[in-house]
Amino acid sequence: LAKTTQPISMDSYEGQEVNITCSHNNIATNDYITWYQQFPSQGPRFIIQGYKTKVTNEVASLFIPADRKSSTLSLPRVSLSDTAVYYCLVGDPNSGGYQKVTFGTGTKLQVIP
Amino acid sequence: DTAVSQTPKYLVTQMGNDKSIKCEQNLGHDTMYWYKQDSKKFLKIMFSYNNKELIINETVPNRFSPKSPDKAHLNLHINSLELGDSAVYFCASSLPGSGASYEQYFGPGTRLTVT
Repeated sequence: LAKTTQPISMDSYEGQEVNITCSHNNIATNDYITWYQQFPSQGPRFIIQGYKTKVTNEVASLFIPADRKSSTLSLPRVSLSDTAVYYCLVGDPNSGGYQKVTFGTGTKLQVIP
Repeated sequence: DTAVSQTPKYLVTQMGNDKSIKCEQNLGHDTMYWYKQDSKKFLKIMFSYNNKELIINETVPNRFSPKSPDKAHLNLHINSLELGDSAVYFCASSLPGSGASYEQYFGPGTRLTVT
């Protein structure tokens, strides 16, 4: 699985847009990029997944440049409840039909009032 | 409606004891997993079962033994508990390689403390 690198932590004020970038220089052709969110004392929660360009859902947007060596998770107008750890994962969901998900260290986002 | 549930939520036990953690999912998924999250918050996969068959077995001491009686349940039994086993254990489930998803559903976790 491709190795990912993300900032260890970020701070943001409420109401601001937050962008968390993940580097994955050795991403393979069939790899997808997936982001999870983990609140304290809870299990990770799937946020968004993409392969290229831009993906948007009700929670976030995911921007992937043409070379796919990085990706940016964008959270619009964060609130205190968005304080969590965000994990970027890269891998081929079709590899053998099995999902060996490897979580990195994640980015701890602290939203400040 | 609980999608992935684990019992117990907290488990405190002494070194050398044997304990089990249970996991159940009502999502109809075929694949289930066990993860360990240590004190530094690193989340590592331990095991994965697909339709009751073991498909991923990471470098985990053989004191850890998963058991899947059916595809909705994946239990984790730990023998001869050690201090280093203290961690939060998460169960998760997903559809098998559905073509475009690493979307896994995680349980609430079981905090194991070995004294």
